[in-house]
Order: sequence, then structure tokens, then C-alpha cells
Amino acid sequence: DQQVKQNSPSLSVQEGRISILNCDYTNSMFDYFLWYKKYPAEGPTFLISISSIKDKNEDGRFTVFLNKSAKHLSLHIVPSQPGDSAVYFCAANEVAGSNYKLTFGKGTLLTVNP
Amino acid sequence: KAGVTQTPRYLIKTRGQQVTLSCSPISGHRSVSWYQQTPGQGLQFLFEYFSETQRNKGNFPGRFSGRQFSNSRSEMNVSTLELGDSALYLCASSTGVGAYNEQFFGPGTRLTVL
Repeated sequence: DQQVKQNSPSLSVQEGRISILNCDYTNSMFDYFLWYKKYPAEGPTFLISISSIKDKNEDGRFTVFLNKSAKHLSLHIVPSQPGDSAVYFCAANEVAGSNYKLTFGKGTLLTVNP
Repeated sequence: KAGVTQTPRYLIKTRGQQVTLSCSPISGHRSVSWYQQTPGQGLQFLFEYFSETQRNKGNFPGRFSGRQFSNSRSEMNVSTLELGDSALYLCASSTGVGAYNEQFFGPGTRLTVL
């Protein structure tokens, strides 16, 4: 049962345009959402996060939108740059008592063409 | 400040063997988490250690175990290896427990089980 889904395995956009990466989740207990970026042969790096009490968080070219009613998360990159080409993972956090569980999607490969 | 280091970077083992992977966190970070990344399952949380104690655990069999030393370095052990254990094993360090603390990932150890 995949609780965090990234339905697009890949996405290709032109440099300067907007990249929109999507993520759907099923667990209403998720309280915190994160996006990570991963280059080949490197570990993931944290990009941006959003609490479930917010619907938008912005950091430079990166904006994350959260639609709780639709259980949908999206990452917008504007403008896209060739260096943004990487695999993007969304992750969702659930707290259960003193424990937490971080669930990742399978990732979306973004290619930004010059 | 040096990043998270993992050794070895590549490892080849045969079924039935055991393996130990090592992770050195960023100086000052006391939390170390381990993840398994496979093409089919994506990134999956294994466990987290903080101050030498396991604080969180994912849904993996008991063949997967770990420990943390007083200097915060962590090791992960997999016994009786199976073909399905072939994966990229990532560790991440942070200053505190839980997903609310930014995690910094190492480059991973690529384990191949033959």
C-alpha cells in the first residue's frame, strides 16, 4: 500500500519555464511534507518543506503547495535551470506517539533542457 | 564542515553472508537514520539512532540491525543476505530526532547480493 505516490516517473521542461512536480498521499495523519533532490551518485538533499497547517511555502525559485482536501502536494520551480535536472522525492511525516515515520514517494526524474 | 560519509561505497556479497555498513555523521549531529533505496520500492526508512539508542524503526525484518557509538558514528548490519537486499543504503544525520530536523544524507553504499 503506497501512501505517497509520485505518478510521473519523469518530466522534461525547457530552461526558463516552470517545472511542476506532483505528489499524492492517502494518509490523513501526515503532518509535515518535504521535498528532496537527488543527483546521481549523491545522497538526497533537502529542498523545502511544508507543515500541514499551511498551504504554501516559498523559498527562492521553489514553492511547495499543499491541498489537504485533495491530499495533493506540488513543487513548483520557476524558472527552471539545467542544474535542476535531478530526481525529486516527496516525503511525508507521520507522528505516532513518541515515534515518527517518514514515507517517501518513488521519485520523479526532472530533465531541464537548455 | 565535512559532510556525512559512508563506507564502503560499493560492496558485493553472496546470498547467506552478512554485511556491515558504516556511517559517520556531520560533526555535532547526534541522530543517524538509515534508508534503503531500490528501484521498485523507492526510499524506505530502516531505523534511527540518537545518543546510542534506537528511537524509530521501519518495517524491516530482524535481519536488519544497527547500532550507534558514543561518537555518533553508526553501523548497520544485514545478516543472511537475500538477493532482494541489493540496494543503495543511505544514511542521514541531523541534530535531533524526527523529520522536523533537516536531514543531511551521505552518498550511500551500493550493495549487490549475488
